[in-house]
Amino acid sequence: DQQVKQNSPSLSVQEGRISILNCDYTNSMFDYFLWYKKYPAEGPTFLISISSIKDKNEDGRFTVFLNKSAKHLSLHIVPSQPGDSAVYFCAASVSNFGNEKLTFGTGTRLTIIP
Amino acid sequence: KAGVTQTPRYLIKTRGQQVTLSCSPISGHRSVSWYQQTPGQGLQFLFEYFSETQRNKGNFPGRFSGRQFSNSRSEMNVSTLELGDSALYLCASSTGLAGGEQYFGPGTRLTVT
Repeated sequence: DQQVKQNSPSLSVQEGRISILNCDYTNSMFDYFLWYKKYPAEGPTFLISISSIKDKNEDGRFTVFLNKSAKHLSLHIVPSQPGDSAVYFCAASVSNFGNEKLTFGTGTRLTIIP
Repeated sequence: KAGVTQTPRYLIKTRGQQVTLSCSPISGHRSVSWYQQTPGQGLQFLFEYFSETQRNKGNFPGRFSGRQFSNSRSEMNVSTLELGDSALYLCASSTGLAGGEQYFGPGTRLTVT
């Protein structure tokens, strides 16, 4: 049972435009959501997170939006740069003490076209 | 501050053998989690150790085990290797106090032949 889903395996965006990556979840117990970026032969790098008490969090070019009623989150990258080309994973957790388990989506490969 | 380190980076083993992977967390982090990444299944949680105790466990068979030392370094062991165990094994460290961001190492690429 895939509790975190990224339905788009790949996405191509022109440099300078907005990249929007989507993620859906089914477990209503999840209350903390994260986005990671992964280059080949490297471990995932933490990008940005959001708690369920918020619906938006920004960090520079990256903004994450959370729609709890739809169990949907999205990552916006504006403007997109060639270095953003990577695989992006969304992850979710139940953020109580003692639980470090992250449940990951299957990833979306983002390609920025110069 | 040094990041999470994993050794070895690459490993080739034969079916039926066992393997031990090592992870050194970020200084001050007490929680180490292990994940398996395969093309078909994505990143799957194996287990998490905090203060030398296994605190969480994923849905993997008992052939997968781990431990954590007093300096927070962790090892993961896989016994009786199967071809399907070929994967990238990632460890991640965190403070372990509130659930949140985890910081990943570069991974160990295990190939079972």
